[in-house]
Formats: sequence, structure tokens, C-alpha cells
Amino acid sequence: EAQVTQNPRYLITVTGKKLTVTCSQNMNHEYMSWYRQDPGLGLRQIYYSMNVEVTDKGDVPEGYKVSRKEKRNFPLILESPSPNQTSLYFCASSWGSPMNTEAFFGQGTRLTVV
Amino acid sequence: AQKVTQAQTEISVVEKEDVTLDCVYETRDTTYYLFWYKQPPSGELVFLIRRNSFDEQNEISGRYSWNFQKSTSSFNFTITASQVVDSAVYFCALSLYNNNDMRFGAGTRLTVKP
Repeated sequence: EAQVTQNPRYLITVTGKKLTVTCSQNMNHEYMSWYRQDPGLGLRQIYYSMNVEVTDKGDVPEGYKVSRKEKRNFPLILESPSPNQTSLYFCASSWGSPMNTEAFFGQGTRLTVV
Repeated sequence: AQKVTQAQTEISVVEKEDVTLDCVYETRDTTYYLFWYKQPPSGELVFLIRRNSFDEQNEISGRYSWNFQKSTSSFNFTITASQVVDSAVYFCALSLYNNNDMRFGAGTRLTVKP
């Protein structure tokens, strides 16, 4: 089954404790991206990757890191999480950049930073 | 810069009513793509439609229809004979041809009551 898998689905952590949210897709997609969803703001792009070893900043990259060492994986790293990073996070993948085709989204990771 | 506005934060209808979700976008580019996504209570994002800026034909898919009007920069979504299963948050999004970013509106929460 074609899918984008995020882990964990739920996470509560403390300020400053490094964490990683994993994202994996099994569709051989080149393009992957991370979004955060906040009430009243919709989804905002954090980082995206056009291919292996190619990443770039989206709208709200501050406080986040990503890596793309393999085509299927695109982890999101919060080196020192802060309460304003409490949000619902989505990973997405597509054949090309979003304009070309539909994006497939993971089920989301709800992160709470206390 | 591009922007998507979904002015309706929440809409509540009774089953079998028709309902239209509004989407207004802003961009100076002539080539762009518009999307609608559905986010049911389970949280995942489901692709509904993609439309490019050169195709102003309205589209119908079962009970769903979309009205794209470049003159008013709108891409509205109508659900005919709504059902309880249509209850969800619906997002409109815009992607530019030369940009890897997808801009989402804030979303409209639709509640369909039995």
C-alpha cells in the first residue's frame, strides 16, 4: 500500500530535549516536505527536499533541521524544542514539486513541548 | 507573494443541504496550481483536486464540484446533498510554477448534522 509513515503519532517532550520525527515513503517519490498545522494558520511549510542530499527552507524553518540521506526518508529534527513548536506536523511526498501532482501526506505527529 | 484566504472559519449545515466553501487566492504569477484537501476527524490530509491556471473549466466529481474563476481569483468548492461523512476541515492551497512551496489557506471546518 502506497503510504507516507510518520513516527511517532503523539509526542510530549520538555523544552530543550532534542527530538526527531521520522518520515518514510514507499512510493519512490523525489519530493518530500514538512509542514506544521496551527489553528487559524493552516499548514505552513518548514523544509522541503527535491531529492537526496537536496534540501531547502520553507516558510518557517527556524528551530528545525532536516536531512535527506536516502530517497525514502526525510526526518525532522528539533535540536532544542521550545513551547512555540507545539503543533501538528505533517510530512508529505510527491513525484515532483507539489505543482505537478498531488501530494501524499502522513497521518500527522502531534507534538507538545512543555 | 502568494496568499490563500478561506474566509469561512466554520460552517454548519444539516444533512442534504448544499454547501459552498469559498477560496480566494492572490498571486502575480500567471502560471499556478490550485488544490483542495480534506482533513477528516482522523487527521490525515486527503487530496481532492488540482487545477492549473490555464484551465478554467468547472469540474464535477459525484457530489463535489469546483468553480474556478480567474476574474475574481476564486476557486470555490461545492458539496451537493451533504452527508455526515463530509464533516471535515477543508483546505484550499496554491502552488506557483517556479516555486516549490505550497501555500495553504487557514481551512474551513464543515460540520454536517444528521
